[in-house]
Amino acid sequence: DGGITQSPKYLFRKEGQNVTLSCEQNLNHDAMYWYRQDPGQGLRLIYYSQIVNDFQKGDIAEGYSVSREKKESFPLTVTSAQKNPTAFYLCASSTLQDYNEQFFGPGTRLTVL
Amino acid sequence: GQNIDQPTEMTATEGAIVQINCTYQTSGFNGLFWYQQHAGEAPTFLSYNVLDGLEEKGRFSSFLSRSKGYSYLLLKELQMKDSASYLCAVRDRDYKLSFGAGTTVTVRA
Repeated sequence: DGGITQSPKYLFRKEGQNVTLSCEQNLNHDAMYWYRQDPGQGLRLIYYSQIVNDFQKGDIAEGYSVSREKKESFPLTVTSAQKNPTAFYLCASSTLQDYNEQFFGPGTRLTVL
Repeated sequence: GQNIDQPTEMTATEGAIVQINCTYQTSGFNGLFWYQQHAGEAPTFLSYNVLDGLEEKGRFSSFLSRSKGYSYLLLKELQMKDSASYLCAVRDRDYKLSFGAGTTVTVRA
């Protein structure tokens, strides 16, 4: 079955530690995206990538880093520089054709203690 | 960027109809999407509008007026499982989505 996987579902980290969230897709999509969702707020774009070895900052990139070494994979690192890292993180992918939507992974809920 | 507004909460009775409005201000409009999201889960795609008019998909319909920067999602014959958050999202020409804060719909028996 084609889809997007994120792991783990729940993640706990101590303050000051970097943590990497994984995102893998087997839909052969060119574009991949990372969003953050906080209570009462919409999804906010952190980073996106439309091609391997290239990525762009979204609206809230500070304190985060990404890589796109393979078409299928787009890991997100939450660094110690991110002031409020506790959130629900969603990865998505899409083609770059007009009539196609973004497909979302199940999300990772990160809690920093 | 985009500025997207939608109501925070709506409540309706099972079997009724609910209309969720979304207004937006945009640069480089390239389509409007509606997603459904149950608590703690991923958003799932409901509908897409890029031209003015109504798109119907079973119990769900979505309308777009580009000149007014306005869309609505219409949910008919409400069922308890329709209790969820509904997200309005606008796509720009770089294929990036900007989301509204979401409308939580509660369906009462």
